[in-house]
Amino acid sequence: GQNIDQPTEMTATEGAIVQINCTYQTSGFNGLFWYQQHAGEAPTFLSYNVLDGLEEKGRFSSFLSRSKGYSYLLLKELQMKDSASYLCAVRDGNYQLIWGAGTKLIIKP
Amino acid sequence: TAGITQAPTSQILAAGRSMTLRCTQDMRHNAMYWYRQDLGLGLRLIHYSNTAGTTGKGEVPDGYSVSRANTDDFPLTLASAVPSQTSVYFCASSDKGGANEKLFFGSGTQLSVL
Repeated sequence: GQNIDQPTEMTATEGAIVQINCTYQTSGFNGLFWYQQHAGEAPTFLSYNVLDGLEEKGRFSSFLSRSKGYSYLLLKELQMKDSASYLCAVRDGNYQLIWGAGTKLIIKP
Repeated sequence: TAGITQAPTSQILAAGRSMTLRCTQDMRHNAMYWYRQDLGLGLRLIHYSNTAGTTGKGEVPDGYSVSRANTDDFPLTLASAVPSQTSVYFCASSDKGGANEKLFFGSGTQLSVL
């Protein structure tokens, strides 16, 4: 079966750096997405990786290794507003999106 | 731009009753989707539509139906609600064939079936 694994919850300190990991097993691969979802709100797009390597976008970066079935989202200079759930999703060989359950990130002052 | 509008925001429904969740987008996206989100689970696709006039079944389609009469609207109907359909429902759209085809989500409908 197809599976996306990510930690359920993480805690970090304001101003610090946090890395949220995502591992996947899918039938084929056509890209990996990260979405941010604040409590009670809709998910919003953060990043997209289809080739191996690091994609940087301001304080957020996303890394992909297709051979290892692994991605991470790196958040730098954490702010209280970064408290949210972070969803990893993989587009499989049939172009269907498979979603992880999300990682709830708690930022402490 | 409004993006995607869902209605209602929340609803309490008696089991056995029918209900239609509304979804409208103004981005002229060709693809639209309905997901449900339950605690501890990833988003699960209910139905989708790649273009006006066509629909397809997702991962959990039973008990739900959709229609896509035009580009903008994609209503989701529960014909006879059951308590297991209590969930948060998100409508989404994407520009299928565009760069990365990222999803844009509506604000969600919290549905409780009692």
